[in-house]
Amino acid sequence: DGGITQSPKYLFRKEGQNVTLSCEQNLNHDAMYWYRQDPGQGLRLIYYSQIVNDFQKGDIAEGYSVSREKKESFPLTVTSAQKNPTAFYLCATKSGQGTTGELFFGEGSRLTVL
Amino acid sequence: GESVGLHLPTLSVQEGDNSIINCAYSNSASDYFIWYKQESGKGPQFIIDIRSNMDKRQGQRVTVLLNKTVKHLSLQIAATQPGDSAVYFCASGGYNKLIFGAGTRLAVHP
Repeated sequence: DGGITQSPKYLFRKEGQNVTLSCEQNLNHDAMYWYRQDPGQGLRLIYYSQIVNDFQKGDIAEGYSVSREKKESFPLTVTSAQKNPTAFYLCATKSGQGTTGELFFGEGSRLTVL
Repeated sequence: GESVGLHLPTLSVQEGDNSIINCAYSNSASDYFIWYKQESGKGPQFIIDIRSNMDKRQGQRVTVLLNKTVKHLSLQIAATQPGDSAVYFCASGGYNKLIFGAGTRLAVHP
């Protein structure tokens, strides 16, 4: 099936640990995005990538890192520097670089810091 | 900075009634607008979009209206059904970035 796969769906982490959230797509889309969602708030952009080996910071990049070594994959690492990492994380893709258009979302990963 | 705001955090409607969810955006340069539906614990799903050169666009049971003069966007759902219960987000932007509103929770009662 074509789509976006995020894993794990649920993740628990102790304070001070880094965790990596996976996002894989087989839609052949150029652009990939990571958003964070907190209760009662809209989606906030963490990082995005328009092409392999290139990515840009979004509005709330501090404490996060990404890589884009393959077109299909855009993993997000939540580092220990992120002060409040408990949230729902959404990966999205868009066909075409630098164009307006619909974002396709994965099913999300819920991270809880204990 | 740019912002997108929804007028009501919660909307309750009777099954079969029409629903209207409103949204305001701040950036007059936005040229693309989109509505998403999100069910609990899932990713947002596309409902309908509209570009700035249009005022209205219709889909199946849904209509989006865009008023660029007052920077207002609305989503109308006809004959609302229990399956429409979800959180609805509007987003606006252009080029490579979408700014999302906080969402309106639509509750449909029998």
